[in-house]
Amino acid sequence: GAVVSQHPSWVICKSGTSVKIECRSLDFQATTMFWYRQFPKQSLMLMATSNEGSKATYEQGVEKDKFLINHASLTLSTLTVTSAHPEDSSFYICSASRRLAGDRDTQYFGPGTRLTVL
Amino acid sequence: GENVEQHPSTLSVQEGDSAVIKCTYSDSASNYFPWYKQELGKRPQLIIDIRSNVGEKKDQRIAVTLNKTAKHFSLHITETQPEDSAVYFCAAKWVMFGNEKLTFGTGTRLTIIP
Repeated sequence: GAVVSQHPSWVICKSGTSVKIECRSLDFQATTMFWYRQFPKQSLMLMATSNEGSKATYEQGVEKDKFLINHASLTLSTLTVTSAHPEDSSFYICSASRRLAGDRDTQYFGPGTRLTVL
Repeated sequence: GENVEQHPSTLSVQEGDSAVIKCTYSDSASNYFPWYKQELGKRPQLIIDIRSNVGEKKDQRIAVTLNKTAKHFSLHITETQPEDSAVYFCAAKWVMFGNEKLTFGTGTRLTIIP
């Protein structure tokens, strides 16, 4: 149980275009979903936290108009990188936590999306 | 906010020996400390976690210890095997404006030498 999927697994786009990444919890309802960015050989940096039906909470330094997050249901959150530029190239990983007594703290991670902006 | 430091950044051990990775945190209110293993290009996988009401937890070859007073926790892997080679991240959970979030350490690249 507690499987999280992401789509696409990788994407290459031209500078100035927008890219949408989907994160789904396949077998559980996610109370909260998180979006991280990971540069090569670096740690996971939290970008934003999203709760179903409410606006995402962005970390300091993360532009909310550039990284649009929509959490439309308890099993789906999307991240849209708008007007992508080469410096946005990174590994984007989502995670989800579930409404289960004794397991509210655990974050289950998706497989990640590697974004390359040319 | 929470600040998590992790050491060492790289660690090589002979197969069969033990590996220890240490982390410190700054927010005394943090109460949940997971450890994740990440293989190259893959998702982080939770391998063990500990809550602040216990000092030690063990799962087969993996154990985690927590010292709340000193605000540090450690991962111990015994009888290491080649498949233990990966990057390991510690994390600490903290709360800001009602939102719970994890702050991750900088990672330790563990290499098991056959």
